[in-house]
Amino acid sequence: GQQLNQSPQSMFIQEGEDVSMNCTSSSIFNTWLWYKQDPGEGPVLLIALYKAGELTSNGRLTAQFGITRKDSFLNISASIPSDVGIYFCAGPNFGNEKLTFGTGTRLTIIP
Amino acid sequence: DSGVTQTPKHLITATGQRVTLRCSPRSGDLSVYWYQQSLDQGLQFLIQYYNGEERAKGNILERFSAQQFPDLHSELNLSSLELGDSALYFCASSVLANYGYTFGSGTRLTVV
Repeated sequence: GQQLNQSPQSMFIQEGEDVSMNCTSSSIFNTWLWYKQDPGEGPVLLIALYKAGELTSNGRLTAQFGITRKDSFLNISASIPSDVGIYFCAGPNFGNEKLTFGTGTRLTIIP
Repeated sequence: DSGVTQTPKHLITATGQRVTLRCSPRSGDLSVYWYQQSLDQGLQFLIQYYNGEERAKGNILERFSAQQFPDLHSELNLSSLELGDSALYFCASSVLANYGYTFGSGTRLTVV
């Protein structure tokens, strides 16, 4: 089945630093979604990408749909304490009925 | 409030017991999905229902079962509970997967 691998698995950064993470797949996706999960809460959709090469921003967050359609990238600029959490990428299966979620990138901000 | 309601928020029960988790999807969403998330782990897909019918199964144990009712709310039944079943259980709903899921705030199950 489809698998999404995220890297890095975890990140420890200082407040104010920029963050980059990516998601790769062995198969093509026509949609890429990025979610953030706060500790103890359900994941929340941050950004949706629907076209290869598309670059979309949401505040300090910017995500890109890779040209090969097998990868996507998420950048966070000038990180703040509330950015802490787990970031998941996701993409729909061929029937567009179910999402496959990535393995997650856990972001921790060091005081 | 995401529009997806899960109850209860916390549940503590003993090994061998049975519990039922409840989910009301966002208005208009026909698909309901259940996920399990153990401590520091990713989201493990359990099962999907669409308009009352089971549509896809993931890594769901035989001790677990689910259903979606005519009013579209869903219940996840966990029986013969073991310590390892302690986890966060999330329900999500959607219209179409490529529009994304809306997740509930989860039920934290602790088996003692």
